[in-house]
Amino acid sequence: NAGVTQTPKFQVLKTGQSMTLQCAQDMNHNSMYWYRQDPGMGLRLIYYSASEGTTDKGEVPNGYNVSRLNKREFSLRLESAAPSQTSVYFCASNPGGGRVTGELFFGEGSRLTVL
Amino acid sequence: GESVGLHLPTLSVQEGDNSIINCAYSNSASDYFIWYKQESGKGPQFIIDIRSNMDKRQGQRVTVLLNKTVKHLSLQIAATQPGDSAVYFCAENPAYGQNFVFGPGTRLSVLP
Repeated sequence: NAGVTQTPKFQVLKTGQSMTLQCAQDMNHNSMYWYRQDPGMGLRLIYYSASEGTTDKGEVPNGYNVSRLNKREFSLRLESAAPSQTSVYFCASNPGGGRVTGELFFGEGSRLTVL
Repeated sequence: GESVGLHLPTLSVQEGDNSIINCAYSNSASDYFIWYKQESGKGPQFIIDIRSNMDKRQGQRVTVLLNKTVKHLSLQIAATQPGDSAVYFCAENPAYGQNFVFGPGTRLSVLP
């Protein structure tokens, strides 16, 4: 059982380049999330999807877009990367659709550096 | 705004001693709390949770205490082991919320 899988694990971009982080879960969860983690700070929510076909902004959505491709997959796109987006990105999932039920299950993270 | 914070950014304990990690939360409407452990280079892992209708919950070597009066959460780890070295986060889920709000984390170092 793979759980939550993120790709790529590492990426270096130049300012202005675009890229997409991929996330897939095999637990049949309804809700999926993208967080970013910066040194000395907790995880901050970028976007979430409570169910297939819906997405909503979190605390820090500027500079990002998301797509809930199907129930399994939730991608995060940086259209024009900036150094301030250098961070570790975590995808997570949760069974509940209407609200969170139980814990979040996290992927291993994607470390992004923008030069 | 809503926030969850930790009193100490780092904590060092001797192997075999008990550890106590504290957390303050600000949203009195939060009704569900989780402690996560994050080892270097990995994603957060669930340790234990507690709902607001409880004051205490015990797991294997871990206990979470919830004081709603002062909006305080703590994680107690008994007989701390080297494998407990990690960053610990508390997270709160506001009532009917879609997501969790995370604190900044406490780094626990276990000394031999």
